[in-house]
Amino acid sequence: ETGVTQSPTHLIKTRGQQVTLRCSSQSGHNTVSWYQQALGQGPQFIFQYYREEENGRGNFPPRFSGLQFPNYSSELNVNALELDDSALYLCASSPVGGGYTEAFFGQGTRLTVV
Amino acid sequence: AQRVTQPEKLLSVFKGAPVELKCNYSYSGSPELFWYVQYSRQRLQLLLRHISRESIKGFTADLNKGETSFHLKKPFAQEEDSAMYYCALQQGNTPLVFGKGTRLSVIA
Repeated sequence: ETGVTQSPTHLIKTRGQQVTLRCSSQSGHNTVSWYQQALGQGPQFIFQYYREEENGRGNFPPRFSGLQFPNYSSELNVNALELDDSALYLCASSPVGGGYTEAFFGQGTRLTVV
Repeated sequence: AQRVTQPEKLLSVFKGAPVELKCNYSYSGSPELFWYVQYSRQRLQLLLRHISRESIKGFTADLNKGETSFHLKKPFAQEEDSAMYYCALQQGNTPLVFGKGTRLSVIA
C-alpha cells in the first residue's frame, strides 16, 4: 500500500505566473483534500474532491482551482500567483465512509513566489 | 464559526517532566477532536482522536465539553516527543479545522 505522494517537493515561481501541484492519493482512497499552510500557521482548508467533483471549498479565491482524475489523483492549480501564496501545500486523502475517516497527508509542496 | 486555539507557540520542558499542550475550540455542534503531530522531516500524521479514548505514545487527551478544551497530556516527556503538535476538529466528513500549532521541545 503506497502513501500519499506530492510533486514537486519545492518550486519557485514569479508573481503573476500559474502553477500546478500534483497529488497521488493513497491506495483505496477516493477523497482528496488540499490545505495551505503558511509559515507559522496551521493547515487551512482549500477544497476537497470526491469522485472527480468538488465537494467543499474553503475561503480561497477562484484563482485556486482543482481537478480529480478517475484514478483519484488530484491537481491544485493557482493562477495569477501572489507573494502571499508562498506556503506549504498539503494534500490529504481519505476513504469515504460513515462519519469520520482518517486523513493521510502527503509530505507537501513548498511553493515560493518571488 | 469553527475555531481551534492553541495558545502556546512553543513549549519547552525537560525530559521526564509532565507535558500539557493546550487546545480550546469553538463549534456550535458536537465535533470530533484530534491531535496531529509532525516530527522533523516527516509528514503530518494523526496522533490520537478523542472518540477512541486511547493512549498513543503515552499521550492522552480528554475532551471537556464544558470548557470546550481538548488538552494533550503526557506524564513523562521524552526527547523523541519533540515535534509540532496541531489540534484539529471535524464534523462528519467536513474538512479538518486546525489550530496554529505548538512546537514542543524536550530538553535532555
